[in-house]
Amino acid sequence: DAMVIQNPRYQVTQFGKPVTLSCSQTLNHNVMYWYQQKSSQAPKLLFHYYDKDFNNEADTPDNFQSRRPNTSFCFLDIRSPGLGDAAMYLCATSRQGTAEEKLFFGSGTQLSVL
Amino acid sequence: AQTVTQSQPEMSVQEAETVTLSCTYDTSENNYYLFWYKQPPSRQMILVIRQEAYKQQNATENRFSVNFQKAAKSFSLKISDSQLGDTAMYFCAFMGATNKLIFGTGTLLAVQP
Repeated sequence: DAMVIQNPRYQVTQFGKPVTLSCSQTLNHNVMYWYQQKSSQAPKLLFHYYDKDFNNEADTPDNFQSRRPNTSFCFLDIRSPGLGDAAMYLCATSRQGTAEEKLFFGSGTQLSVL
Repeated sequence: AQTVTQSQPEMSVQEAETVTLSCTYDTSENNYYLFWYKQPPSRQMILVIRQEAYKQQNATENRFSVNFQKAAKSFSLKISDSQLGDTAMYFCAFMGATNKLIFGTGTLLAVQP
């Protein structure tokens, strides 16, 4: 019954080694978001896709990239992870991205950088 | 830019008691939405309640209700008859014309047996 699925639940990578986090959805929503949540902090929006249109936040580091090959899947690529990138990464979806609609969140991927 | 402020990093309440979590925000917009999200230890983000700014009536969802004061830019969450399962981090959030959800820093609520 899970509608927004993030894999894996826990990911360990090495300093500087590229890593990809995945998110899939069964809701056929147009909008997919990636949030970064560091320990004891609020989630911070990194970027979002409206259909195939990519929208990057101004303060998202270039180290973070995203791909959305189709409606159902969205990937977060971290090209050269640093220790400061250790965080929970949350994927969320919305049908049209407007406030009238509910955001559906996945369970997150906890990334550790060694 | 919009900001959301939660001034209570941690709160504690006895089971079956009532607790109120505070949230203030800053915006120049007139039409927007406010939310309370719950994040239990599982880290799953769960929508608790939502308030449209154009509605004067405070939103309620079972044991959860809000006190929305638009002029004061205040949006507090009241949890009645607190249950152990209410233990979680609670985030206040704002969504305006940009359709981006902006979160506060959260309040960690512990319900004591």
